[in-house]
Amino acid sequence: DTEVTQTPKHLVMGMTNKKSLKCEQHMGHRAMYWYKQKAKKPPELMFVYSYEKLSINESVPSRFSPECPNSSLLNLHLHALQPEDSALYLCATSQGVNYGYTFGSGTRLTVV
Amino acid sequence: GENVEQHPSTLSVQEGDSAVIKCTYSDSASNYFPWYKQELGKGPQLIIDIRSNVGEKKDQRIAVTLNKTAKHFSLHITETQPEDSAVYFCAASMNPGGGADGLTFGKGTHLIIQP
Repeated sequence: DTEVTQTPKHLVMGMTNKKSLKCEQHMGHRAMYWYKQKAKKPPELMFVYSYEKLSINESVPSRFSPECPNSSLLNLHLHALQPEDSALYLCATSQGVNYGYTFGSGTRLTVV
Repeated sequence: GENVEQHPSTLSVQEGDSAVIKCTYSDSASNYFPWYKQELGKGPQLIIDIRSNVGEKKDQRIAVTLNKTAKHFSLHITETQPEDSAVYFCAASMNPGGGADGLTFGKGTHLIIQP
């Protein structure tokens, strides 16, 4: 299995809702990442998990809360989002110098 | 932190011609330079990468060159085909993977292959 699976593919949520994005991989990759991508822009790094521990938080607002329950799963919990948070949220994984980064297809989030 | 500049923002070429996209980076400590292709509605897909101990790498119609002294790297696509139409991103990292850092991306190039 060489894929990174993200669910759901699309999500519409109100500003008072709580929702979660899920990312799953079975490649044994020990680094997992959340990126945010606005339309016609490059992906921007949000969080990095290394060996299931949060190692980088790129000054992301607390309404985004990451979680890494085990080496195969990465979650992004969302609460009280703003319309400007609407974007494509991408999960990526990597393992060592011979593998590079593998991205999932993303979750298209719309905040109304 | 690292800053990656990418040019051009849009590139239109005739089918069968070659396309070249150029990037520069600011941090001399960066040592890993991947290129991603992103089609509409999909996540970025790695198409080729190069590490700082190599000057050139080729994979069929795609090649990447790296000039460490000048801190720039380029993507070359030969014999372009309609399915090459997409947005291409260059990126730089101080760690090719598995470490506690992420990629810094260029702003992207929209490649259009004219039939």
